[in-house]
Amino acid sequence: DGGITQSPKYLFRKEGQNVTLSCEQNLNHDAMYWYRQDPGQGLRLIYYSQIVNDFQKGDIAEGYSVSREKKESFPLTVTSAQKNPTAFYLCATADRDTEAFFGQGTRLTVV
Amino acid sequence: AQSVAQPEDQVNVAEGNPLTVKCTYSVSGNPYLFWYVQYPNRGLQFLLKYITGDNLVKGSYGFEAEFNKSQTSFHLKKPSALVSDSALYFCAVRDTGTASKLTFGTGTRLQVTL
Repeated sequence: DGGITQSPKYLFRKEGQNVTLSCEQNLNHDAMYWYRQDPGQGLRLIYYSQIVNDFQKGDIAEGYSVSREKKESFPLTVTSAQKNPTAFYLCATADRDTEAFFGQGTRLTVV
Repeated sequence: AQSVAQPEDQVNVAEGNPLTVKCTYSVSGNPYLFWYVQYPNRGLQFLLKYITGDNLVKGSYGFEAEFNKSQTSFHLKKPSALVSDSALYFCAVRDTGTASKLTFGTGTRLQVTL
């Protein structure tokens, strides 16, 4: 079953905690992306990676960190430095001439 | 810096009428352009893309889009709207020169009524 798997679907974070969102793909795509979606603000790019062991900041990287140790995996850590982390987080993958394929998202809520 | 503008937060259309959802973009090189649709609490579903070739691109569910280089636009169209088309639509651009960075617009909510 090919595709992109994001887990968990729902995540609750206490103030001051770091949490990690998982994104795994078996599409053999080189590029992977993390987006944050807030109502009325569309999708904002957090980080993206073109190849293993390399990644670039997107437009709103502050308070987030990523790693790309394997082609299949691109986990996102929301750190305590992110002051307003409640949002819907979407992971995507793509190859150079293809469209991006999206996971089903993780909804993160601060409690 | 690349960017995408979707000037309308919401588009309202009656079922059976044609619909247009507007998108303009800015990139330094040549663009790859995409349209996606999102239903509540779901990921994005791909509708269509422009990579190269014909300016009129046909996609899923009867949607099409026209690439206009001089106006830097990529408007989404459908000849006859359905109530089931009601959703959130996103335009996106990738600069072929930079290869990977994929930028989305803020989205346009399409509401189709009977």
